[in-house]
Amino acid sequence: QLQLQESGPGLVKPSETLSLTCTVSGGSISSSSYYWGWIRQPPGKGLEWIGSIYYSGSTYYNPSLKSRVTISVDTSKNQFSLKLSSVTAADTAVYYCARRRGPSAYSSSWYPVDYWGQGTLVTVSS
Amino acid sequence: QPVLTQPPSASASLGASVTLTCTLSSGYSNYKVDWYQQRPGKGPRFVMRVGTGGIVGSKGDGIPDRFSVLGSGLNRYLTIKNIQEEDESDYHCGADHGSGSNFVWVFGGGTKLTVL
Repeated sequence: QLQLQESGPGLVKPSETLSLTCTVSGGSISSSSYYWGWIRQPPGKGLEWIGSIYYSGSTYYNPSLKSRVTISVDTSKNQFSLKLSSVTAADTAVYYCARRRGPSAYSSSWYPVDYWGQGTLVTVSS
Repeated sequence: QPVLTQPPSASASLGASVTLTCTLSSGYSNYKVDWYQQRPGKGPRFVMRVGTGGIVGSKGDGIPDRFSVLGSGLNRYLTIKNIQEEDESDYHCGADHGSGSNFVWVFGGGTKLTVL
């Protein structure tokens, strides 16, 4: 059974960089056609996609966050990471990592998320 | 890119039925939408994908037959029959737009379903 687990500081100061890691267990992050993403949910609000990455390193970012986001992958550790710079209180949210099947040589389709992490609350405050 | 609009709240009595709506912005009537259920304090889980022809693919794991979907015009519907207490959740719809470097994944604001 695949499991995803987010980890990282729960408190970040304004203007600093938020850093989170998602560790994948029970399967390989290098599986063909699977993309690994970050989604966040501010308290009491809806979901917001931050970005996704393929094990090869190809990245896809939400245009509204692109200037502040970096997503990277470490296949040797079976992990992928999120860095969000210049954070403000508006970045306070539960951050989820997730897996989706996506475009391949045989299909251009994206499929629904099949695995989510449990989520981790990150608060931006001084 | 499409904008997905959901009513912020809905309610239904135990054993009744309710239909939740996700409305795509104009020009995106051929888009499929994914419904996700999020129980209080938990992460989301996939319910079903819906297009104008109805369900696309299979239901998510463990989703009961009481859940069904329909698509019409710009609207994508999730209907829950014989509502149970465990159905009290936030329901989110999401859609994909574009390809390659222009890919974007968007969500609606979510609907909080209260079981009375």
